[in-house]
Amino acid sequence: SQTIHQWPATLVQPVGSPLSLECTVEGTSNPNLYWYRQAAGRGLQLLFYSVGIGQISSEVPQNLSASRPQDRQFILSSKKLLLSDSGFYLCAWSRESTDTQYFGPGTRLTVL
Amino acid sequence: ILNVEQSPQSLHVQEGDSTNFTCSFPSSNFYALHWYRWETAKSPEALFVMTLNGDEKKKGRISATLNTKEGYSYLYIKGSQPEDSATYLCASSGNTPLVFGKGTRLSVIA
Repeated sequence: SQTIHQWPATLVQPVGSPLSLECTVEGTSNPNLYWYRQAAGRGLQLLFYSVGIGQISSEVPQNLSASRPQDRQFILSSKKLLLSDSGFYLCAWSRESTDTQYFGPGTRLTVL
Repeated sequence: ILNVEQSPQSLHVQEGDSTNFTCSFPSSNFYALHWYRWETAKSPEALFVMTLNGDEKKKGRISATLNTKEGYSYLYIKGSQPEDSATYLCASSGNTPLVFGKGTRLSVIA
């Protein structure tokens, strides 16, 4: 069976500090991978998605970036965090881009 | 860009009441409509995927219908229970990855 892992579960970072969130998927190959953010009082916002190694599509321009160094690894990064980056970050995978997505446990990021 | 709308934004019902809420999506370039349940402190879980006009799916007390011609889907919960309290998300896909609505937050009061 497939499982998706995210870490850390919670993170408190000062403004201007870097960020690295990691997501890995087990039990499947060549998944589509996604990073979402839920800011306070808002819905799920798609940040990045990837259909393969090194292939990243950005949905929203911002100070975040994503990378996919391995087939089942997806990393969300920032060089300098902003207060507005606070939120709940979810990683998800699917077999095809239009298929059901399966979500990881999420990371709660607070930028102070 | 797909625009998926959900209503109402939030809903409070008494235990035992039946309820329903709506998801609206563009009917052009439609491929599939998904419903997810998102409980507090957990990650979203898939409930249904529907692709055909007139589709109806059921899981226990929860069911969903789909009208692709007019671009809407209804989610029904029969005899609501406190454990049904969650945010219900719908998502539509055309020739793009899923686009999620903002969700309907359901609170079932015992």
